[in-house]
Amino acid sequence: QTVVTQEPSLTVSPGGTVTLTCASSTGAVTSGCYPDWFQQKPGQAPMTLIYSTSNKHSWTPARFSGSLLGGKAALTLSGAQPEDEAEYYCLLNCAGTWAFGGGTKLTVL
Amino acid sequence: EVQLVESGGGLVKPGGSLRLSCAASGFTFTNTWMNWVRQAPGKGLEWIGRIRSNVDGGTTDYGTPLKDRITISRDDSKNMLYLQMDSLETEDTAVYYCTTGFSRGYWGQGTLVTVSS
Repeated sequence: QTVVTQEPSLTVSPGGTVTLTCASSTGAVTSGCYPDWFQQKPGQAPMTLIYSTSNKHSWTPARFSGSLLGGKAALTLSGAQPEDEAEYYCLLNCAGTWAFGGGTKLTVL
Repeated sequence: EVQLVESGGGLVKPGGSLRLSCAASGFTFTNTWMNWVRQAPGKGLEWIGRIRSNVDGGTTDYGTPLKDRITISRDDSKNMLYLQMDSLETEDTAVYYCTTGFSRGYWGQGTLVTVSS
């Protein structure tokens, strides 16, 4: 069973830049793992931010971007806003089935 | 407007069964692969499984924790997605979400399933 690992928590200053990463126990994350990224605020359903590594939805703020970085999937937030404080989850399919990471709690402070 | 509305959650005893439903509207359900995802209280997201569109075979894939106890199905004539869960355990207590394929990106608001005696 694939284990997907994210940083448990990160802090970013308002206006700052932060990168969240997503690693797979099966090895390097590639575009073939179809990395997706989700944002979840307390009491709300998740929202899809990024799909298939770097593709944005119409509702995804421009300050979010997805990429591959050093064998991991990465979500970069450039110009953090207070409303970006949330839990962020990645999702990978590197070995035939989908697996979520444990989530990164992002604090904007 | 795209809407996914889950229903069917509630309190069930260990060993019991439950069928969750997801009513879809605002998009072409027939062509859309669909997922179920769950979230235990205070925990992270867990992918449960998916069903392809009938055009793509209508086949299913299931995640490891539940694969022997669940069945995902769809009724394209009603724009409905279903999750049948059997032999429920206390660890299955969670909010259950239906989602479109993640390239579409839509989520429902979830329905709470509580497994307790």
